[in-house]
Amino acid sequence: AQSVTQPDIHITVSEGASLELRCNYSYGATPYLFWYVQSPGQGLQLLLKYFSGDTLVQGIKGFEAEFKRSQSSFNLRKPSVHWSDAAEYFCALFDSWGKLQFGAGTQVVVTP
Amino acid sequence: DAGVIQSPRHEVTEMGQEVTLRCKPISGHDYLFWYRQTMMRGLELLIYFNNNVPIDDSGMPEDRFSAKMPNASFSTLKIQPSEPRDSAVYFCASSFESLAGESGEQYFGPGTRLTVT
Repeated sequence: AQSVTQPDIHITVSEGASLELRCNYSYGATPYLFWYVQSPGQGLQLLLKYFSGDTLVQGIKGFEAEFKRSQSSFNLRKPSVHWSDAAEYFCALFDSWGKLQFGAGTQVVVTP
Repeated sequence: DAGVIQSPRHEVTEMGQEVTLRCKPISGHDYLFWYRQTMMRGLELLIYFNNNVPIDDSGMPEDRFSAKMPNASFSTLKIQPSEPRDSAVYFCASSFESLAGESGEQYFGPGTRLTVT
């Protein structure tokens, strides 16, 4: 089965603190993985993607993600969050049928 | 480029009426996707096109839903007749095929919020 799981539905973090969002995948081969962000009332925007090579991927807005094959994970991180990072974050897998499979999303709330 | 353009941004209609959602993809992109987002079901792919041809419509809920892409710069998603359970945000996204042969880098429009009363 090909799937993506985001274990955390909701995360609250203080402004300036670090953030890590978890993503686990199930896929038979080397996956193509993505992180998208959705701000309130907006469409999704691509933060970063992993295809192959360096397992630490840098994205926009200061985000990075690390691919760990042994753990079937692709966690998203940011060292210091800003209030504007409050949004919903989606991990996605490009499956063998040519479609993106999205996780359920993690809602991030940033407190002052 | 202006990005993916969707219209209308909001649509309120009565049950039984026909609804047409419109999308203009980014110029040069050869993939177009229609998604539906609800609280209960999350983000669902309804249908996608490659070079204006429907490739996979397995996500279309039922025959009341239809989608067309008459040319590379325009697509519609039609619901006829509409029902209250169709209330959702509908997103259009477009993409290109990368050297790796995937189309996962998708650019989303702002969405159409549909309310069926």
